[in-house]
Amino acid sequence: GAGVSQSPSNKVTEKGKDVELRCDPISGHTALYWYRQSLGQGLEFLIYFQGNSAPDKSGLPSDRFSAERTGGSVSTLTIQRTQQEDSAVYLCASSFNANTGELFFGEGSRLTVL
Amino acid sequence: RKEVEQDPGPFNVPEGATVAFNCTYSNSASQSFFWYRQDCRKEPKLLMSVYSSGNEDGRFTAQLNRASQYISLLIRDSKLSDSATYLCVVNGVGTYKYIFGTGTRLKVLA
Repeated sequence: GAGVSQSPSNKVTEKGKDVELRCDPISGHTALYWYRQSLGQGLEFLIYFQGNSAPDKSGLPSDRFSAERTGGSVSTLTIQRTQQEDSAVYLCASSFNANTGELFFGEGSRLTVL
Repeated sequence: RKEVEQDPGPFNVPEGATVAFNCTYSNSASQSFFWYRQDCRKEPKLLMSVYSSGNEDGRFTAQLNRASQYISLLIRDSKLSDSATYLCVVNGVGTYKYIFGTGTRLKVLA
């Protein structure tokens, strides 16, 4: 499809397990963002990638969270040793260029940690 | 103080009403401002950018007040389909890290 694709759409895991969330941005978009949204809350910035520049990781809540973007395209967000407070919808967005401010979001990956 | 603050609402208004939302931001050096819309259980989508001189898109008007560090969104002639959460977005200083407010919920009633 032409939009941002995220997988899995839903993930239920047990506390302490590792999870990987994948984002496939719109082709040609140089910027890629990860946010998370807890129930009834706003979007919390996690990390963004712009071209070949070093990513801005300032929003990652702990060292259990990491993300990479391979070949300037697909990105993976990894959460190690998941905790119940990690339960949220993880949203990925891409932009043709970060300075436009127009972010195209995927439908999100809903993570539930039991 | 949060970087971006919004009144969570909900704002319940009748069809045809005019409604306005404000959003305040903490960093005076922020340069880019936007309004996004998020429907229930859906992803956010860009509604409009906010320019220094103010801008209008149909029934929607956005304004920026740098002195008081707030942006506003005015919706005229509200439609049922305008019911959604409106998110204020501001860039982090010197970066393209976009900070979202928690959103203002609007419900337009028939």
